Amino acid sequence: EVQLVESGGGLVQPGGSLRLSCAVSGFTFRSYEMNWVRQAPGKGLEWVSYISSSGSTIYYADSVKGRFTISRDNAKNSLYLQMNSLRAEDTAVYYCAREGVFAVAGIFDYWGQGTLVTVSS
Amino acid sequence: QLVLTQSPSASASLGASVKLTCTLSSGHSSYAIAWHQQRPEKGPRYLMKLNSDGSHTKGDGIPDRFSGSSSGAERYLTISSLQSEDEADYYCQTWGTGIRVFGGGTKLTVL
Repeated sequence: EVQLVESGGGLVQPGGSLRLSCAVSGFTFRSYEMNWVRQAPGKGLEWVSYISSSGSTIYYADSVKGRFTISRDNAKNSLYLQMNSLRAEDTAVYYCAREGVFAVAGIFDYWGQGTLVTVSS
Repeated sequence: QLVLTQSPSASASLGASVKLTCTLSSGHSSYAIAWHQQRPEKGPRYLMKLNSDGSHTKGDGIPDRFSGSSSGAERYLTISSLQSEDEADYYCQTWGTGIRVFGGGTKLTVL
């Protein structure tokens, strides 16, 4: 069974930092591209960042570029999101999502349950 | 610019059918999309990938009541025999080089 479990969320002050983790199981992690997606309270889904299976290619949404860093450890079956210089508008539930391959390439075919990040003083 | 447009809300009666629409921006009518369902207080769930020719690949365990179709830049999700558990937000999603995009979502109310 494919599982993605996020952790590391919490309350942080504006300007602070937080590191999210996503532990995966049930599939060969090193073969899949991964993403972080967030959802502010009462709002829709917003793509945050992408990382290729090897980690060599990375993309960010303009809203987080220069502040967030995505990374992965294929030996530990884990995905990470380092978030620095946090702002109130970064408050959201953060989801990790797997990108499919072959017939479902480019789309998010499995999601985690999310971890809440609250940026407030 | 790659943009997906969805109506904010839709409603239909229990047992009826409903058709949700996702519209691709100009110049992107050949793109495939995915449909995702998000029930209240839950994480998103992948429903299907929908190609421009209307062919689709469903996620694990997705009932036959969910189907997809395409016409030009429009991508549709049809839910038949509506059940109360279908009340949820539905998002379309696509991708391009260096970007992943979501539509604004459609809130489906089952009456």
